This record gives sequence, structure tokens and C-alpha cells, in this order.
Amino acid sequence: SQTIHQWPATLVQPVGSPLSLECTVEGTSNPNLYWYRQAAGRGLQLLFYSVGIGQISSEVPQNLSASRPQDRQFILSSKKLLLSDSGFYLCAWSSVAQYFGPGTRLLVL
Amino acid sequence: GENVEQHPSTLSVQEGDSAVIKCTYSDSASNYFPWYKQELGKRPQLIIDIRSNVGEKKDQRIAVTLNKTAKHFSLHITETQPEDSAVYFCAASIGGNFNKFYFGSGTKLNVKP
Repeated sequence: SQTIHQWPATLVQPVGSPLSLECTVEGTSNPNLYWYRQAAGRGLQLLFYSVGIGQISSEVPQNLSASRPQDRQFILSSKKLLLSDSGFYLCAWSSVAQYFGPGTRLLVL
Repeated sequence: GENVEQHPSTLSVQEGDSAVIKCTYSDSASNYFPWYKQELGKRPQLIIDIRSNVGEKKDQRIAVTLNKTAKHFSLHITETQPEDSAVYFCAASIGGNFNKFYFGSGTKLNVKP
């Protein structure tokens, strides 16, 4: 069966520091991969999606970037975090249905 | 692009009553409609889905109906229990080699014991 991992689970970072969140999927090949952000009490905002290695599409202009160095690995990065980057970051994969990872809770202070 | 609207934003019911959440979509090419349940602090979990060639699907106490002509679909929860309390999201997707999901804004369901 397929599983999706994210780490870290929680992160507290100062404004201006870099960020790297990692997501890996097991049990499937060539999945579609997604990064979402969820502000407290709000809905799901699609940030990036990828249909294959090195193929990244951005949904919202911002100071975040994404990379897919391997088929089942998806990384979300930032060179300099902003206060507004705080939130719950969810990685997801899909074939037909979409399944979410456990998420990373990021607090930027 | 696709636009999904979800109502109501909050819903409070008494334990044992039924709950209905409704979503509308704009793109007639959408053909896959999942529903997610998100408990506080957790990831959204897929609870039921329906494809456009089906009008209704049921799984124990939950059911989803789809009206392609009117472009709306609904989640029905019968005999609600306190553990049904959560935020529910609907979504629409156009299947194919790549499926992008468009989410509703969520419904916070509170089941009062």
C-alpha cells in the first residue's frame, strides 16, 4: 500500500531564516505530487504541483519554491521566511484520488 | 478555471440527526468529486468520492449525490455522532494524466451530544 511521509512534524523558525520541508511517497511510481498550505481555521491553498521529476508548476507567486529531485520526493524551500509563511504545510499525492501526508506545522517568529 | 463553492460554512446538529453539506462547481469537465474530513490538527482524510458517471454512492452512514446538470454535489451524514465533528471539504477534479483538485472552503460540523 502507499504511504506518504513528511518531516519535520513541527518547526519554529525566525523571520529571514531558510526553510526546507521534505515529502516522500512509498508504494507507487510516478505520482502527481502537491504542496498545500493551510492557515489556521482556513481552507487549502495549492502552492505547487509536479507531474514528474524536475517538473514544477507554481500556483501562487511567493517567496517559496519547490523541487522534485527524485520520482517520489518533493521538497518545499524558502531562502528567507516571512511571518506570513506560518501555517500547516501538507504534501499530497494522487493517481485518481488524492491523499495527504501528516503535515508540517510551521511557526515563523 | 474551476470554482467550487461550499455551504454552509458551519453546521450544528444534534446527535442522531442528519447533516447535509452542499457544493457547486463551475467546470462541466470536472468528473471526480472527493470529500475529505479534517479533524483538529490532523491531515484531511478522504472519506468518500464519486465519479461523474454515478449519481449516488453510499458507505454506511455517509452518502454523496451528484447532479451533473445542475453542477452540484452533496454529502449526507445520517445518524450523526460526536466523532463526526470536524471540518469537511469537498473538491472537484478533471481526471486525466494530471488531476488538479479544486477545494471548497470547508464546513465546520459540530455534533452536539
